[in-house]
Amino acid sequence: AQSVAQPEDQVNVAEGNPLTVKCTYSVSGNPYLFWYVQYPNRGLQFLLKYITGDNLVKGSYGFEAEFNKSQTSFHLKKPSALVSDSALYFCAVREWTGANNLFFGTGTRLTVIP
Amino acid sequence: DVKVTQSSRYLVKRTGEKVFLECVQDMDHENMFWYRQDPGLGLRLIYFSYDVKMKEKGDIPEGYSVSREKKERFSLILESASTNQTSMYLCASSSRTGAYEQYFGPGTRLTVT
Repeated sequence: AQSVAQPEDQVNVAEGNPLTVKCTYSVSGNPYLFWYVQYPNRGLQFLLKYITGDNLVKGSYGFEAEFNKSQTSFHLKKPSALVSDSALYFCAVREWTGANNLFFGTGTRLTVIP
Repeated sequence: DVKVTQSSRYLVKRTGEKVFLECVQDMDHENMFWYRQDPGLGLRLIYFSYDVKMKEKGDIPEGYSVSREKKERFSLILESASTNQTSMYLCASSSRTGAYEQYFGPGTRLTVT
């Protein structure tokens, strides 16, 4: 069975500081991992994915994510936060049974303080 | 770019009404999904479809049905809307090749009064 945990419901960071949004996962099979962002009253937008290869994955809007197999983590990072990064962030893992759907975490609300 | 569109951004319906939510994707994706999103509960899968006329129940199918008559279109039907179906509804699609990342529509915020 697969699962995704986003241990923080809310993350606050000052503008210009580095940000991290945490995600840990459990999956039987190779971990295909994803990050999505949701702005208010909008659908989810795909940010980045890890399938294989380099542990540091670069995505849209200056975001990157670090895959750590030993810690089963896939944390989202950005070197310098912008106020416009304030949004809801979802981590997801692909399941390897049935229809190979994505299983989503419950989301982390990021607030960047000016 | 993948484009997934949903028929309405906001919808207000009365209890007992039959409600249709439509979703169209333009990337020839095989898979399509309907989720509902509620605060603190994240995304919950209602139904999905991996081919025309095929459908599979997700985690919370009760009170909903779906229809997929054409590859690009996936409809969610609330047979008799109830107040506990007030929610944000998100449609998504994905290819059956590659990493299976899903692409989402803008969402429909449904209020049932």
